[in-house]
Amino acid sequence: NAGVTQTPKFQVLKTGQSMTLQCAQDMNHNSMYWYRQDPGMGLRLIYYSASEGTTDKGEVPNGYNVSRLNKREFSLRLESAAPSQTSVYFCASSEGETVYGYTFGSGTRLTVV
Amino acid sequence: TQLLEQSPQFLSIQEGENLTVYCNSSSVFSSLQWYRQEPGEGPVLLVTVVTGGEVKKLKRLTFQFGDARKDSSLHITAAQPGDTGLYLCAGAKGGNQFYFGTGTSLTVIP
Repeated sequence: NAGVTQTPKFQVLKTGQSMTLQCAQDMNHNSMYWYRQDPGMGLRLIYYSASEGTTDKGEVPNGYNVSRLNKREFSLRLESAAPSQTSVYFCASSEGETVYGYTFGSGTRLTVV
Repeated sequence: TQLLEQSPQFLSIQEGENLTVYCNSSSVFSSLQWYRQEPGEGPVLLVTVVTGGEVKKLKRLTFQFGDARKDSSLHITAAQPGDTGLYLCAGAKGGNQFYFGTGTSLTVIP
């Protein structure tokens, strides 16, 4: 099983450009999440989708939008990239109950110049 | 401000030594998890603890959830180079999202 698949793995953007990070899971999980990881800051939640058809803001949603396309796919869009959005982005999925934990993708390393 | 603080932030030890990593908060959590992350990869779940005072063992790793469910510790016995990685704790406060700690970067020198 592939688990959680993220594309692309690496991306360099110029300030002001837009892009969409793709995420798909094949575990029939209800909930999906987007996190960013920065040195010394740990993982911070950007947006999450508790179930198909719903999305909610996390701790750091400004500058991002999300789409839960179907149960499998959850995309993250940067409409106008800024250098402060340089980070490693992780998508994760879970059954929905916190006791089960997350399954993470391998990440997208994004650099905005 | 971070909801969960981990210490130490960095740890470098010789193979065979023991170590303990701490995860502390002023908040109460319904459950707490520990993950290990290797370079270029996403975090991988090691364990979930849900009851105050609970102790779980995973081979040479021992995890404990504080009695008040505000803190946790990870103890590794006889560390191996394969234990090298970033260790993250994550707490749930209800709902289905976790708050992650700042991480402890462990290096085990052969």
